[in-house]
Amino acid sequence: SQQGEEDPQALSIQEGENATMNCSYKTSINNLQWYRQNSGRGLVHLILIRSNEREKHSGRLRVTLDTSKKSSSLLITASRAADTASYFCAPTGFGNEKLTFGTGTRLTIIP
Amino acid sequence: KAGVTQTPRYLIKTRGQQVTLSCSPISGHRSVSWYQQTPGQGLQFLFEYFSETQRNKGNFPGRFSGRQFSNSRSEMNVSTLELGDSALYLCASSRDSHPEETQYFGPGTRLLVL
Repeated sequence: SQQGEEDPQALSIQEGENATMNCSYKTSINNLQWYRQNSGRGLVHLILIRSNEREKHSGRLRVTLDTSKKSSSLLITASRAADTASYFCAPTGFGNEKLTFGTGTRLTIIP
Repeated sequence: KAGVTQTPRYLIKTRGQQVTLSCSPISGHRSVSWYQQTPGQGLQFLFEYFSETQRNKGNFPGRFSGRQFSNSRSEMNVSTLELGDSALYLCASSRDSHPEETQYFGPGTRLLVL
């Protein structure tokens, strides 16, 4: 299994602004998932994008995937205080491997 | 539907002791995975159980072990605790073991080893 690397490690923005975070990985993937973790709690699944998809939307979330660059980005539009959390990407290869996560992007929304 | 529950939520142990953590998955879910989260290493996969069998294992020493019962509840055990085992231990359940299945995480057990 492979681990995604999130960038930046930390991001602070004003409420209402958009937040973009990136994920890079090393080998071919079957899909890539994004999760959110609120301070010291369990992770919540946000979105899954398959390797044959380039973009996916879910509410205020927009995820892109560029398999040629082995990277993905997560855009949160019109940020809210409740979006303050750590965000993790989990690229999944083929076969029965399990999710692995990086150290995440710590997003802080300033009211 | 009730979510994934983990007990205990907090635990303090001393070096050399052993500890058992418990995870009850969402009803109907047959796969349970365990993760260790530390500030330095991030989230690391420990192992996955499906239908009482270990399906996948991460890169952890043999001191870390687990099992799953017929009702899908799972336990993980850490023997001979070390200071570095202090971490948040998360369990996640999914309907089955397919990589695209969404994993639902519990709130975690925070273990402090003194």
